[in-house]
Amino acid sequence: GIQVEQSPPDLILQEGANSTLRCNFSDSVNNLQWFHQNPWGQLINLFYIPSGTKQNGRLSATTVATERYSLLYISSSQTTDSGVYFCAVNDYKLSFGAGTTVTVRA
Amino acid sequence: EPEVTQTPSHQVTQMGQEVILRCVPISNHLYFYWYRQILGQKVEFLVSFYNNEISEKSEIFDDQFSVERPDGSNFTLKIRSTKLEDSAMYFCASSPQDTQYFGPGTRLTVL
Repeated sequence: GIQVEQSPPDLILQEGANSTLRCNFSDSVNNLQWFHQNPWGQLINLFYIPSGTKQNGRLSATTVATERYSLLYISSSQTTDSGVYFCAVNDYKLSFGAGTTVTVRA
Repeated sequence: EPEVTQTPSHQVTQMGQEVILRCVPISNHLYFYWYRQILGQKVEFLVSFYNNEISEKSEIFDDQFSVERPDGSNFTLKIRSTKLEDSAMYFCASSPQDTQYFGPGTRLTVL
């Protein structure tokens, strides 16, 4: 199956800082999604982004499908951004990476 | 905005008992999924369901597990004879085609 690797595994930020999370995948994919898992365990859809760039408020994502990676940018981080960020790729079922645990300190 | 819902939010059961986890997918979606996440680990695919039948299942989804769409709105996961290692968060997801939308999960604790 497709391998999905996320880096870094952990990230500690000061409130207001910017950061970049990376997702590498081992094969071509039909779909790529970014999720935020909040402290209650809920998986919140951030982006459906098989290619190109999208922005949603302080978050943006870019996928370069030909080079098999995606980046998630968090700008002006807030404490509510804390949680685990998962990248998942789709060959009709989602294969998840291990996640990046983000801690934003006030 | 329509959401995937799941019940119960938390279930505690004794080892060897059967449990049924329930999901109501988004109404016009065609593809349905179950995933699980053992505490501290990544989310793992269990099974996908389309046109009233299983379309794909993982190695985890053995004879202990079954899925059903009994009435056109609910989508259930049954776990027969639960084991301690079945303790996990179980997520239901649905999709119109591409993007998968996840429910809030059911936390299953097997004692």
